[in-house]
Amino acid sequence: DAGVTQSPTHLIKTRGQQVTLRCSPKSGHDTVSWYQQALGQGPQFIFQYYEEEERQRGNFPDRFSGHQFPNYSSELNVNALLLGDSALYLCASSLAWAESNYGYTFGSGTRLTVV
Amino acid sequence: AQSVTQLDSQVPVFEEAPVELRCNYSSSVSVYLFWYVQYPNQGLQLLLKYLSGSTLVKGINGFEAEFNKSQTSFHLRKPSVHISDTAEYFCAVSKTDKLIFGTGTRLQVFP
Repeated sequence: DAGVTQSPTHLIKTRGQQVTLRCSPKSGHDTVSWYQQALGQGPQFIFQYYEEEERQRGNFPDRFSGHQFPNYSSELNVNALLLGDSALYLCASSLAWAESNYGYTFGSGTRLTVV
Repeated sequence: AQSVTQLDSQVPVFEEAPVELRCNYSSSVSVYLFWYVQYPNQGLQLLLKYLSGSTLVKGINGFEAEFNKSQTSFHLRKPSVHISDTAEYFCAVSKTDKLIFGTGTRLQVFP
């Protein structure tokens, strides 16, 4: 049973560029959440997608956007990259509603470096 | 607002010694509590969780944690650590279907 798959594993971008990160949830999961983990910090919640809609959002600017596809996979887009966007981006999948807190599965992350 | 404080950024310990990683949370409502482990260059793996019921929660790899509502704590313990336990440990709280993490504790196990 495949877990959460994220691609790419590493990425280097230049300031001002745009980036797209991808996530395939664990089989049977329908909800995808994205987290940003800066070096030496705990993960910070960016947003969550369910039924192809953004269900809730953390304290991140509009430069961060996402999408969920009918097969439950998801993309995270970041526009106008800043040096401070350098981080490990984690995707977590779960089942919807009250069960989500009980069964998050995290991917291994995408390491984004902005130069 | 909910928040999580991990009191120790680093905990060095010798192999086979006991260890406690401390976590305090603040919340005005009931919460769900979690401990995750992150090995180098990997994602997060769930160690254990407290949702309700018994305040002593047993997890994987011999870890356990005790929920203390009066002290708003959820400390993680292991009676005898191994070299392979060297990793970053995160305490997290959840109420509205998202996780709020602490800043992490680096557990370093020495031979």
